[in-house]
Formats: sequence, C-alpha cells, structure tokens
Amino acid sequence: DIQMTQSPSSLSAFVGDRVTITCQASQDISTNLNWYQQKSGKAPSLLISDASKLDIGVPSRVSGNGSGTDFAFTITSLQPEDFATYFCQHYHNRPNTFGQGTKLEIK
Amino acid sequence: HLVQSGGGLVKPGGSLRLSCVASGFSFSDYYMSWIRQSPGQGLEWISYISHSSSTIYYADSVKGRFTISRDNAANSLFLQLNSLRANDTAVYYCARNRDSLDLWGQGTMVTVSS
Repeated sequence: DIQMTQSPSSLSAFVGDRVTITCQASQDISTNLNWYQQKSGKAPSLLISDASKLDIGVPSRVSGNGSGTDFAFTITSLQPEDFATYFCQHYHNRPNTFGQGTKLEIK
Repeated sequence: HLVQSGGGLVKPGGSLRLSCVASGFSFSDYYMSWIRQSPGQGLEWISYISHSSSTIYYADSVKGRFTISRDNAANSLFLQLNSLRANDTAVYYCARNRDSLDLWGQGTMVTVSS
C-alpha cells in the first residue's frame, strides 16, 4: 500500500496569514492526489483533485501543486471559515489511502 | 445528495447494515465507496464497488467481515458489517467515487461495545 505522510499534524495561524501543508507519498503517484477539508462534526468535502485542480466553488486563495512524491497545499490570506482539518488522499492504485490530517487552528 | 441510515450500538461479534440513498445524480453511472473515521482519528477508505457491482475492493482491515453491495434500481448503497470489533467503532461515510470522493453522505456512527 502507498503511505501518505502529511505535515504538520497541526498548525496555528492568524486570519490573513498564508499557510502551506505538505503531503509525501511513499512512491511515485504522478498527480493522482486529492485534498479535502473537514469541519468539526461534518463530512469531508473535496477541494482539489489531480494535485492542483480546484473543485467547483473553491475560492482561488486555495491552491495545490506537486507531482511524483511531493505535494503542497496552500491557502493565502486565511479566512475564518478556513480553520478546519485538511487531508490529502492518493488515487494512484487501491487502496486510496489518506494522509493523517492537518488541523488548522486560529492563533 | 447522499443520505445515510443504519448504525448504532452493537456488541462485539454483532452485525449491522448501513444504507446510503442517492438522489440528484445518475447513481448507476458511478463507483461508490465507504470510508470510516475513528473518534478523533483520520480517514480510512474501506471499500468500493463499481457501477455494475462487477468490481469490489476491501481494505485488509475489513476483508472477510464487511460486504459492500448496491441496488441501482433503488439508488442505494449498502455495507453489511459482521463480526464487529471494538476497533470498528467509527463514523462511517458513503461517498461518490470518481478519481476523487466528490460527494459525501452525512455519516453514521457505529459503536461496538459490550
């Protein structure tokens, strides 16, 4: 199985800050990577697919990049609604494993 | 829209059946998946099923104990959970599966405890 190592596990930031979360795959997954946001008590929601393609309605302050084994997820100018937990997930083969998650909290 | 039902409290070794009813899209055109999340933990993808049920995959953690199925005529997805263990305690989500999981159910809690 492909292992997804996500970091950091938690992050504190101010409204208006820029933050970056990284995800490393244990083998080459091309750009077969998704990013999800999960708010407390809710189901996850898709933000980015194919490493960099924003889902419909996702604001442009969100971006993703990377290929192969190293990926990054960035939010510029954090808004109050961005404070949540974020997960990466590969879809290169089965099982489509997730990273451990990054909890983004308000400082 | 995916609306889940089932779940609840069950004793170790017991069984449960989870359901997920789809609306607003052509259910029979999509693969579907089940994902679970243990309390305070991350996400674990556990099973998926193809449009026609011809392809099914299970995570090792549930293989031989859980069974995924679907009824396209009823726009419904199911997960039969047998031989439940304490570490199966989690919120279970159904999701529409393309390359990404782009539509999720609201989740249903399964608690395995004596």
